[in-house]
Amino acid sequence: DVKVTQSSRYLVKRTGEKVFLECVQDMDHENMFWYRQDPGLGLRLIYFSYDVKMKEKGDIPEGYSVSREKKERFSLILESASTNQTSMYLCASSAPGQAYEQYFGPGTRLTVT
Amino acid sequence: EDKVVQSPLSLVVHEGDTVTLNCSYEVTNFRSLLWYKQEKKAPTFLFMLTSSGIEKKSGRLSSILDKKELFSILNITATQTGDSAVYLCAVEAYSYSGGGADGLTFGKGTHLIIQP
Repeated sequence: DVKVTQSSRYLVKRTGEKVFLECVQDMDHENMFWYRQDPGLGLRLIYFSYDVKMKEKGDIPEGYSVSREKKERFSLILESASTNQTSMYLCASSAPGQAYEQYFGPGTRLTVT
Repeated sequence: EDKVVQSPLSLVVHEGDTVTLNCSYEVTNFRSLLWYKQEKKAPTFLFMLTSSGIEKKSGRLSSILDKKELFSILNITATQTGDSAVYLCAVEAYSYSGGGADGLTFGKGTHLIIQP
């Protein structure tokens, strides 16, 4: 079974803090994705990566950056957290050419106060 | 900009009813349409549709795609309380970046509640 893990289930941070959300997958997948999920807005793609050190902007990259130094790990970084970044963050991974079959992590619920 | 619209946003039915969930889309370089089920956790994959008119079935769930009219439906027959969930529709486009994956564009989901 593919396993995608995220470093925290719940996180509370203050405005202006730098926040790291970590995602690790154990299936040697090339593709990794970060989404945020908000009530009424659904799932929105922030960034994705199709190889180590490669990254592409998704639909809402503003205020975020990412890092992919190793194949199994994809980090989402909030350089200066703001209250409008309070959300559920979901990481996913997939094999190359199979973006449809994404395996999701359990999510990190981030609250910025 | 790619766009996915699902309807209805919420639906309450009784156990045993049949439901139809709708998904319309606008996307450049369409590759596939996907359905996910999300309960109190991350989404789980249900179907991938790439060709018009070919029904995909899994138990009581079925789905079909119309690439001319740019929509898909998800049918659930003989609903059970365990079908209560948010159903997400997403579209995948061919990659411009050459990397083979552009991520997915999701609709807002249909919140389905099955009453006993």
